[in-house]
Amino acid sequence: NAGVMQNPRHLVRRRGQEARLRCSPMKGHSHVYWYRQLPEEGLKFMVYLQKENIIDESGMPKERFSAEFPKEGPSILRIQQVVRGDSAAYFCASSPISGTGVFAKAKNIQYFGAGTRLSVL
Amino acid sequence: AQSVTQPDIHITVSEGASLELRCNYSYGATPYLFWYVQSPGQGLQLLLKYFSGDTLVQGIKGFEAEFKRSQSSFNLRKPSVHWSDAAEYFCAVLKAAGNKLTFGGGTRVLVKP
Repeated sequence: NAGVMQNPRHLVRRRGQEARLRCSPMKGHSHVYWYRQLPEEGLKFMVYLQKENIIDESGMPKERFSAEFPKEGPSILRIQQVVRGDSAAYFCASSPISGTGVFAKAKNIQYFGAGTRLSVL
Repeated sequence: AQSVTQPDIHITVSEGASLELRCNYSYGATPYLFWYVQSPGQGLQLLLKYFSGDTLVQGIKGFEAEFKRSQSSFNLRKPSVHWSDAAEYFCAVLKAAGNKLTFGGGTRVLVKP
């Protein structure tokens, strides 16, 4: 069972360009989360998606950032008109199920990909 | 709002010595608690988790953690560290009814020969 796959691993963009980060969840997982790790900091939640739905985007910057998780294909985190402050590691995680209940608890674990390291020149 | 505090930014330990990493959380109820490890340039690997029940949980790589409700703590321990344990360790909290992990700032562990 392949893990969470993120690509590219490294992405270099010039200021003003667009960055597209892709995340394929683990097989059988239908919940995807994006986190950002700024240099020398911990991870900060950005957005939580289920197939074709954004469930919680409370951590997303108001402008230039968007995310989707289509019915088919990977989840995409898109950053338009990148600026130097967007340079960070972006991690995707997936989980098979969320919510309450005895069995749901055991599965409410997020598995992380290796991340995409974005550098903005 | 919930928060997670890891008081130690860096810890240096000799190989073979014991290790304890501190984690305190602020939340109205008992959340789900996790420890992840991140090796340089890598993603996060789950070491262990606490949902309920026995307050001493065992994880992978010889790690264990103890949940202390009275202290709102979930400290990570290992009796004897190996050079391969050099990494950054993150404590994280998940609200029982929520889905986003809240991470501490991390503790970077250096292992001396």
